[in-house]
Amino acid sequence: AQTVTQSQPEMSVQEAETVTLSCTYDTSESDYYLFWYKQPPSRQMILVIRQEAYKQQNATENRFSVNFQKAAKSFSLKISDSQLGDAAMYFCAYRSLGGADGLTFGKGTHLIIQP
Amino acid sequence: EPEVTQTPSHQVTQMGQEVILRCVPISNHLYFYWYRQILGQKVEFLVSFYNNEISEKSEIFDDQFSVERPDGSNFTLKIRSTKLEDSAMYFCASRFERGGQETQYFGPGTRLLVL
Repeated sequence: AQTVTQSQPEMSVQEAETVTLSCTYDTSESDYYLFWYKQPPSRQMILVIRQEAYKQQNATENRFSVNFQKAAKSFSLKISDSQLGDAAMYFCAYRSLGGADGLTFGKGTHLIIQP
Repeated sequence: EPEVTQTPSHQVTQMGQEVILRCVPISNHLYFYWYRQILGQKVEFLVSFYNNEISEKSEIFDDQFSVERPDGSNFTLKIRSTKLEDSAMYFCASRFERGGQETQYFGPGTRLLVL
C-alpha cells in the first residue's frame, strides 16, 4: 500500500517570502499522480497543483511550483511571494495510474503567514 | 465554472440513526468518491464508484455504509446506524478521465455530528 508522509506539522513564513512544504511517499509503482491540496478554515479541499510521475518537468501554477524527485520519492511544494490568503492546511496526495483508486493523503502541514 | 455540490452542509444526528449525505458531481464526470476527515486528522478514502457500481472501498467502508447513484445527477452516502466515531467531515469528489484529466474535484463537505 502507498503511504504519504508530511514531516512538517506546521510551517510559518513572512508575507512575500518563499516557503517550501515537504512530502515524501512510498510506492512500488512506476506511474502515478501526485497532488497538493489546500484546505482553508472553511475546510473545503482545493487543488493547488498536480504532477504526473511520467513527466520529468516540474509542474508550476503561478506562485506555486513543485520539486518532484522521482528516485527519492519526494514531492515538495514551493510557494513564492506568500500571501495572507495562502494560510491553510496543505495536504500532499498520491493516486495510482488508471482505475478508480482513491487518493492517499498525508497528515498535512499547517501553513501560517505572518504579516 | 462547474463544481461539486453537497447537501446538507451540516447535519446533527443521534447515535443509531440513519443519515444520507448527498452530492451532485460535476455533470460530465465519470468517477465518484467519498472521503472522510475526522477533526484534526488527515483525509481518508472511503469508496469510489464508477459505471453504477463500487470500484474500490477502504477498510473504513464497512457494512453500515452504502453508496448509490439514484438518478443521473445525485450520488449519495448512507450511514445506516451512526456511531459517535462517525462524526467527521465527509467530502464527495468527482473525476473525468480523458486525456489525463486525473484531478479529483472536491465538494465543500458535509459536517456530520453524531450525539
